[in-house]
Amino acid sequence: AQSVAQPEDQVNVAEGNPLTVKCTYSVSGNPYLFWYVQYPNRGLQFLLKYITGDNLVKGSYGFEAEFNKSQTSFHLKKPSALVSDSALYFCAVRDTGDYGQNFVFGPGTRLSVLP
Amino acid sequence: GAGVSQTPSNKVTEKGKYVELRCDPISGHTALYWYRQSLGQGPEFLIYFQGTGAADDSGLPNDRFFAVRPEGSVSTLKIQRTERGDSAVYLCASSLGAGVMNEQFFGPGTRLTVL
Repeated sequence: AQSVAQPEDQVNVAEGNPLTVKCTYSVSGNPYLFWYVQYPNRGLQFLLKYITGDNLVKGSYGFEAEFNKSQTSFHLKKPSALVSDSALYFCAVRDTGDYGQNFVFGPGTRLSVLP
Repeated sequence: GAGVSQTPSNKVTEKGKYVELRCDPISGHTALYWYRQSLGQGPEFLIYFQGTGAADDSGLPNDRFFAVRPEGSVSTLKIQRTERGDSAVYLCASSLGAGVMNEQFFGPGTRLTVL
């Protein structure tokens, strides 16, 4: 069965600095990987996904993520953080070796961007 | 266009009561998912519909939980004999199809509190 780890509960970064939110995964087949963001009292919003092809994926709001198969990682990055990026971020995986259609989500990482 | 909507936004009930939570997916989306999110955790899969049928209900915790989607659009999650441990945010998501590459679009959730 697939699993996702987000090793940091909390990430703090100063506005204007680059940010990284880490995600590692475990699957039996090839992974489809997703990042979602959750603002207070709102549903999860899709940021980006990796299906195949270029390991660097660009998504919404200036975010990007790098797929690294050897390290089984899919870290979320942004070159210059904004205070408005402060939210809860979830990494999710679907396993092509699994017939299920559901996502498996990580526990989430709370990002705080300090002015 | 309208996103995924869920009603009610909040539901407070007493232990042992029956509750129904409603989800209206994005128009034209054939796949619909229910997740449960407890405080400080990522969403956990409950059940997935493709059209009117439940294609995967492996995440339902026990037989007190049931979901329907009779016309292939709106879905209702039903919980019988509620317990305090059922308190969580119940999230609904829809996607254009059942393909594993499709991102899911989430509603704002229903916060269920069982007293």
